[in-house]
Amino acid sequence: NSKVIQTPRYLVKGQGQKAKMRCIPEKGHPVVFWYQQNKNNEFKFLINFQNQEVLQQIDMTEKRFSAECPSNSPCSLEIQSSEAGDSALYLCASGTANTEVFFGKGTRLTVV
Amino acid sequence: QQKVQQSPESLIVPEGGMASLNCTSSDRNVDYFWWYRQHSGKSPKMLMSIFSNGEKEEGRFTVHLNKASLHTSLHIRDSQPSDSALYLCAASKGSALGRLHFGAGTQLIVIP
Repeated sequence: NSKVIQTPRYLVKGQGQKAKMRCIPEKGHPVVFWYQQNKNNEFKFLINFQNQEVLQQIDMTEKRFSAECPSNSPCSLEIQSSEAGDSALYLCASGTANTEVFFGKGTRLTVV
Repeated sequence: QQKVQQSPESLIVPEGGMASLNCTSSDRNVDYFWWYRQHSGKSPKMLMSIFSNGEKEEGRFTVHLNKASLHTSLHIRDSQPSDSALYLCAASKGSALGRLHFGAGTQLIVIP
């Protein structure tokens, strides 16, 4: 069973508001991913970290999102100014070189 | 456009029947394939992974990979109603820590 903990499970924000979600990766997993799953079940990779360093991120993430994975604190993903199109399930996943990637239960964001 | 194509989009099989799901990557840089299962409202959980040409079996699940065509298939024999879920294929370059490119999934419904 996955031990990736995401909070909150549900988040409702108005357009233009900040939306912040958190993820505690499984203990001992140095790599953390954030994915966005839309209502059509399509996954979009957002960003990944190894320890505290960003490995890869897409253009959208660079411009409108901020994310970090500080040591000894939860990782976080924040949308600076929420748009209706940001409504989705945000999934955090973690892993090591010798295991599969484990997903958390996600944060479902609704932008009204 | 989607780098990972899955078919069919949805599949209905009777209880006890065989379900066959397909997945092809158009990105020749990938070399690892993953099959995830996502029940409604839950996080994706890895079912099977395959990196080498050929076939791998685990219980009722068999996965095939043809690296030349970058095609993988998942076969579920003796399908159960509890197998009803969204089946996601993902491809990555390198290990589990590579960025996962997901397909849009096959929605499997097993009818008692």
